Amino acid sequence: DTGVSQDPRHKITKRGQNVTFRCDPISEHNRLYWYRQTLGQGPEFLTYFQNEAQLEKSRLLSDRFSAERPKGSFSTLEIQRTEQGDSAMYLCASSFIAGGQTQYFGPGTRLLVL
Amino acid sequence: KNQVEQSPQSLIILEGKNCTLQCNYTVSPFSNLRWYKQDTGRGPVSLTIMTFSENTKSNGRYTATLDADTKQSSLHITASQLSDSASYICVVSFNAGNMLTFGGGTRLMVKP
Repeated sequence: DTGVSQDPRHKITKRGQNVTFRCDPISEHNRLYWYRQTLGQGPEFLTYFQNEAQLEKSRLLSDRFSAERPKGSFSTLEIQRTEQGDSAMYLCASSFIAGGQTQYFGPGTRLLVL
Repeated sequence: KNQVEQSPQSLIILEGKNCTLQCNYTVSPFSNLRWYKQDTGRGPVSLTIMTFSENTKSNGRYTATLDADTKQSSLHITASQLSDSASYICVVSFNAGNMLTFGGGTRLMVKP
């Protein structure tokens, strides 16, 4: 257990539905990252926050994806109008800017879009 | 384009044997290189981190090497155990460590 938690751990939804995932980082970490990982591949960067500011977004983050970190603590990742291609593991990681920037990963949320 | 390539894609070894995993990268500007272990269905866990000036770093039975000139790294696992069965991901950071590029991982299976 790295101290980063994600909820839910698994989500099955029908195509076209909206889903929202939550990440709770290690409490003193000011950076929070979202990644997507498909089977047999390494994680792909989606976006990251420093405190409440979203500093960078990948081109993978289409208009259907939105992430927030309103109070600089937990974060949510919402996918609207889900597609089958969105099926993946969504990983959250957090780091402390002055702590060697090692990213600590949560257990992930596995999404299956039917 | 920043890329991290790992080999082999998968590996099966017998318990107690040693193995070496390879990582080649083209990430620039290089900040540091990490090896992560990812058990099935779980998030990655950091094993080692090396900066430009470090050639080798050990963590128990795991020893990572880095050749910044050839942009290659290796992860050597000594006296493998069944619990070493996992994916091992090479991760190179750039942009002053803010951004990460992940390799596709090597899936290791240790058999009794």
